[in-house]
Amino acid sequence: QVQLVESGGGEVQPGGSLRLSCAASGFTFSSYDIHWVRQAPGKGLEWVAFMRYDGSNKHYADSVKGRFAVSRDNSKNTLYLQMNSLRTEDTAVYYCTKGGPTWIVLEYWGQGTLVTVSS
Amino acid sequence: NFMLTQPHSVSESPGKTVTISCTRSSGSIAINYVQWYQQRPGSSPTTVIYEDNQRPSGVPDRFSGSIDSSSNSASLTISGLKTEDEGDYYCQSYDSSIHVVFGGGTKLTVL
Repeated sequence: QVQLVESGGGEVQPGGSLRLSCAASGFTFSSYDIHWVRQAPGKGLEWVAFMRYDGSNKHYADSVKGRFAVSRDNSKNTLYLQMNSLRTEDTAVYYCTKGGPTWIVLEYWGQGTLVTVSS
Repeated sequence: NFMLTQPHSVSESPGKTVTISCTRSSGSIAINYVQWYQQRPGSSPTTVIYEDNQRPSGVPDRFSGSIDSSSNSASLTISGLKTEDEGDYYCQSYDSSIHVVFGGGTKLTVL
């Protein structure tokens, strides 16, 4: 079955960097668009970034544009989120999600990984 | 950018029907698909409705989605409420600039 397993979360100081990974299995990873979505503690969902199945298109929320970068390695069935210049307001659980049947549908979600930005 | 506004909370008794609204602030609700996600406490979200009114396999037909252009809103209706339906529900849509937006979420209590 479809599995998405995020890793790489942890605690980092403001201004620091972190790279999240999302290992996918149970489907043809190279054929599907992928999103990152985050959820601050006790808050709602916030869309972060999107990447087309072939890497041809990337889009970011205004709140992370210029600081975060999404990439994928289809040979390793893995998605990445490079997060730079982290701020306290970036503290959240970060989920990777499989798109489908159209790009905007977040069909399957991982269990999430917690990122804490604190001094 | 646009916003999606949902009621903060709704509550209803088991066996009854509840409807959660999602109002788009600008741009037509009918032009871009609306999705609905359920998040039970301590769990990741799951899709209950996609592309306005489509149900993923495994989601019971007690869940239905609709669009109302006159109020520029989408609705999620859950009939025959069960205690397992409790949780937070989020609507989601986008615009032509690929701004993806979630509503603020609605906490459903079945009491």
